[in-house]
Amino acid sequence: QVQLQESGPGLVKPSETLSLTCTVSGGSINSYYWSWIRQPPGKGLEWVGYIYYSGTTNYNPSLKSRVTISVDTSKNQFSLKLSSVTAADTAVYYCARAGSGSYRRPLDYWGQGTLVTVSS
Amino acid sequence: EIVLTQSPGTLSLSPGERATLSCRASQSVSSTYLAWYQQKPGQAPRLLIYGASSRATVIPDRFSGSGSGTDFTLTISRLEPEDFAVYFCQQYGSSPITFGQGTRLEIK
Repeated sequence: QVQLQESGPGLVKPSETLSLTCTVSGGSINSYYWSWIRQPPGKGLEWVGYIYYSGTTNYNPSLKSRVTISVDTSKNQFSLKLSSVTAADTAVYYCARAGSGSYRRPLDYWGQGTLVTVSS
Repeated sequence: EIVLTQSPGTLSLSPGERATLSCRASQSVSSTYLAWYQQKPGQAPRLLIYGASSRATVIPDRFSGSGSGTDFTLTISRLEPEDFAVYFCQQYGSSPITFGQGTRLEIK
């Protein structure tokens, strides 16, 4: 059974960089697309971006200037960096798996999510 | 960007009743690329339906999806107590991937 686990600081100061890692267990990161999705408290879901195991990325245009997603296949991990954060970036951040061989697949496995609060 | 609008915002029903949730897209979405998720408080979303009408693994057959073009529907034939949650539709055929704002299904 594939499992995903987000990790990283729960509190980030305004203007700093949010950094999260997603560790994949029970399966290989190879051959799949991996996404980050966020959800502000009490609100809906926003796709942040995805990465293929080979390193190909695609980001939401609304965040593109501030987002970097990277992958470390040797550790079965992928990571999110979001720079210049403001209070509007406060959200639960989820990592999730899309399909094999194409990003045009539903998100079938999700991490439990981690709340990141932006505050001084 | 494809905007997905879900209706109603909140649906109040009783166990045993039938629930019909709507998802309308701002432009045509291939049915291959439309999914539905269920989210309970404090939990991650769970994939229910993909390809507009295919049930994900271990999803009971009281959940069904239909639709094409710009109009899609999630139907729960007979509500069980564990079905009261928030439901999101998602299109994953074009970038950026987008979600509807959600429908809250609450116990009447």
